[in-house]
Amino acid sequence: DAGVIQSPRHEVTEMGQEVTLRCKPISGHDYLFWYRQTMMRGLELLIYFNNNVPIDDSGMPEDRFSAKMPNASFSTLKIQPSEPRDSAVYFCASSLRQGAGEKLFFGSGTQLSVL
Amino acid sequence: QKEVEQDPGPLSVPEGAIVSLNCTYSNSAFQYFMWYRQYSRKGPELLMYTYSSGNKEDGRFTAQVDKSSKYISLFIRDSQPSDSATYLCAMSRDNYGQNFVFGPGTRLSVLP
Repeated sequence: DAGVIQSPRHEVTEMGQEVTLRCKPISGHDYLFWYRQTMMRGLELLIYFNNNVPIDDSGMPEDRFSAKMPNASFSTLKIQPSEPRDSAVYFCASSLRQGAGEKLFFGSGTQLSVL
Repeated sequence: QKEVEQDPGPLSVPEGAIVSLNCTYSNSAFQYFMWYRQYSRKGPELLMYTYSSGNKEDGRFTAQVDKSSKYISLFIRDSQPSDSATYLCAMSRDNYGQNFVFGPGTRLSVLP
């Protein structure tokens, strides 16, 4: 398996534009997670899905953020409208099961810059 | 005060040195403790996982948890240049869900 695949690797956009980040989890993994990493706030969980159903979206910062998982092999994180403070690295991760000891497999991330 | 604190470094050591990385935390409800390693421009990867207090060893890596002091450590023996990365501690109250609280990370450089 190629691992968790994220696209694009880099995204530069202007404030107010819509941004869509994409993720393909590892086949067979039932859990998918979206994280955001910044210097100021570190790594934060935004939302996670189990069997394509959103389970916990309490980390989504505001209504400008939305995430979907239409099928087991694809998820999107959308920001509309984007703001400069959304600049961060966004990671998607997947795992077979949930729990503290379960290995999360992270993608390489999308570096988002909102000008 | 942040819930989980880590010295951001950078920490530079010569090859072969013993490295000690530490985190302190404020929430006494944390029971599950993890260490993640993150190479530059990559996602984190799980290194070690411990439950409650005690030690756990895996090869050159040893994780220690002292819940009474709210202090966890990761020791790396015989450090290698390939260990150069950012090390993130993470912890959670329960084993349900993945809502860990991550530390900000310590950047480690092992010099050949």
